Amino acid sequence: DGGITQSPKYLFRKEGQNVTLSCEQNLNHDAMYWYRQDPGQGLRLIYYSQIVNDFQKGDIAEGYSVSREKKESFPLTVTSAQKNPTAFYLCASMDYKETQYFGPGTRLLVL
Amino acid sequence: GENVEQHPSTLSVQEGDSAVIKCTYSDSASNYFPWYKQELGKGPQLIIDIRSNVGEKKDQRIAVTLNKTAKHFSLHITETQPEDSAVYFCAASLGSTSNTGKLIFGQGTTLQVKP
Repeated sequence: DGGITQSPKYLFRKEGQNVTLSCEQNLNHDAMYWYRQDPGQGLRLIYYSQIVNDFQKGDIAEGYSVSREKKESFPLTVTSAQKNPTAFYLCASMDYKETQYFGPGTRLLVL
Repeated sequence: GENVEQHPSTLSVQEGDSAVIKCTYSDSASNYFPWYKQELGKGPQLIIDIRSNVGEKKDQRIAVTLNKTAKHFSLHITETQPEDSAVYFCAASLGSTSNTGKLIFGQGTTLQVKP
């Protein structure tokens, strides 16, 4: 069953803590993306990776970090420098026709 | 920077009526325009897309039109059903998608279909 999985579904962060959101795909896509969604707003790009071992900052990269050591995986770390991390985080991958497919999302809440 | 404006922000229709959502983009190099449907608490799902070499595309009850001169594109849903109720997002590629695949998203339209 091919697709994109994100875990956990809900994540709670304490002040000063770094947390990591998982994104895995078995679609054999090269490009992967992380978006942040706030209530009543569109999706904003945090980071993207077009190929393994390479990634680029998006529009709102401050306070976030990523790695791309494997084609299937693109984890996002929300660092303590991100002062307003409460949001819905979406991961996507892109096929050869340049269509992006999204995972189910992770909702991050601050304790 | 480049942006996409989407209207209306909310839309309420009676079951069986048509719904139209409009988007305007600023990047004249955009060549790919997808539409996504997002149900509560879930990730967006692609429902239809159009590329700059065509003016209209239809898939059953859903159609998208593109006017590159005016930089407008629209989503048309006919014979709406309660299960069409969701948030709909338009997006436009930032320049040519062959460069980065980056998309700019509209703010979203909450569609409510009343039985």
